[in-house]
Amino acid sequence: NAGVTQTPKFQVLKTGQSMTLQCAQDMNHNSMYWYRQDPGMGLRLIYYSASEGTTDKGEVPNGYNVSRLNKREFSLRLESAAPSQTSVYFCASSDGTGGLWEQYFGPGTRLTVT
Amino acid sequence: GDSVTQMEGPVTLSEEAFLTINCTYTATGYPSLFWYVQYPGEGLQLLLKATKADDKGSNKGFEATYRKETTSFHLEKGSVQVSDSAVYFCALFLPFSGSARQLTFGSGTQLTVLP
Repeated sequence: NAGVTQTPKFQVLKTGQSMTLQCAQDMNHNSMYWYRQDPGMGLRLIYYSASEGTTDKGEVPNGYNVSRLNKREFSLRLESAAPSQTSVYFCASSDGTGGLWEQYFGPGTRLTVT
Repeated sequence: GDSVTQMEGPVTLSEEAFLTINCTYTATGYPSLFWYVQYPGEGLQLLLKATKADDKGSNKGFEATYRKETTSFHLEKGSVQVSDSAVYFCALFLPFSGSARQLTFGSGTQLTVLP
């Protein structure tokens, strides 16, 4: 049982390049989330998916797109990377029942945009 | 809007010292409250939670009590260990809020415990 996995662990992009961050969970959770973590700002929600086939914007969605490929996988795409997107990105999942608020996090992707 | 305010870090303590990390919140409803911990190089893990006023969450020697009258959820541990060195996040969740299913996090408090 791997929990939540993310790839890649590290990435360096030049301004204007695109990339997709991958996330998968094996806990059969309905809901999945993408956060970014910046120094002194905690975690901020980028997008979430309450269930397979649905996605919604979070607090900071500009510059990002997401795809809920199936129940297990939720990807985050940067179409044209900017230095302001340098951050650590975390994927999380939770079940849709009584434990909705208990989110399980992946190990993170550290992204640098130069 | 909903928000969480944590005491600024970093906090440095000697092993076996008493720990308090303050957390206060602002919310329009009756939130559930959480403490998450992030060890170096890892993602966040749920440490403890409380879902209604006067509930006490506890885990691994850490405790926090949901105080509605002071809108607080301070984290405490009686005797910290070097292995407790991590970043601690306070968070709230409003299950019926317009923003649906998101946690609102504080900015995090870095704790370093020295041997």
